[in-house]
Amino acid sequence: EAGVAQSPRYKIIEKRQSVAFWCNPISGHATLYWYQQILGQGPKLLIQFQNNGVVDDSQLPKDRFSAERLKGVDSTLKIQPAKLEDSAVYLCASSLERQGVKYFGPGTRLTVL
Amino acid sequence: GESVGLHLPTLSVQEGDNSIINCAYSNSASDYFIWYKQESGKGPQFIIDIRSNMDKRQGQRVTVLLNKTVKHLSLQIAATQPGDSAVYFCAEINTGANSKLTFGKGITLSVRP
Repeated sequence: EAGVAQSPRYKIIEKRQSVAFWCNPISGHATLYWYQQILGQGPKLLIQFQNNGVVDDSQLPKDRFSAERLKGVDSTLKIQPAKLEDSAVYLCASSLERQGVKYFGPGTRLTVL
Repeated sequence: GESVGLHLPTLSVQEGDNSIINCAYSNSASDYFIWYKQESGKGPQFIIDIRSNMDKRQGQRVTVLLNKTVKHLSLQIAATQPGDSAVYFCAEINTGANSKLTFGKGITLSVRP
């Protein structure tokens, strides 16, 4: 079974630029998550989707971050404009159901200069 | 400027010995717990999970123990191997609420040959 796919794996941008990340969850998984992991810390939830609806985006900095999952499968996370403190690994995860195990992708390492 | 990352606590064990990684969780309402292993440059990988109606669960070379009285979780790895070297995170979920996965502080396991 294929795992969670993410691209790109690495991205370097300058502050105030915009960037987008893509995630393809495990086939059949209704719940999709985006996490931010700063170096040396555990992942922090940014947003959770159930199919194509947002369940929890309470920790998403909505002035600069946005995410969508239009057809209930793939998802994109966008940052516009980026700040230095956005440098982190952005992890996508999916689960068959909300209460189930969350499986993570390899992440996108973002460096903001 | 120079960035300084957080230094995670480290557990150093001899190859072949057993490892015990401890975790204190924060929410007494959490009823589902997962241990993840994260290798450098990769996303968190599911190791083993346990529900709050159990106090012990065994997998292949791993055992998770749950003490709800003191909100403590531990991961035991038998016959630790070099491939076990990674950062380990415990994570908690309250399935009766929004099933948000909250990560604890990571612990680095270093296996000495």
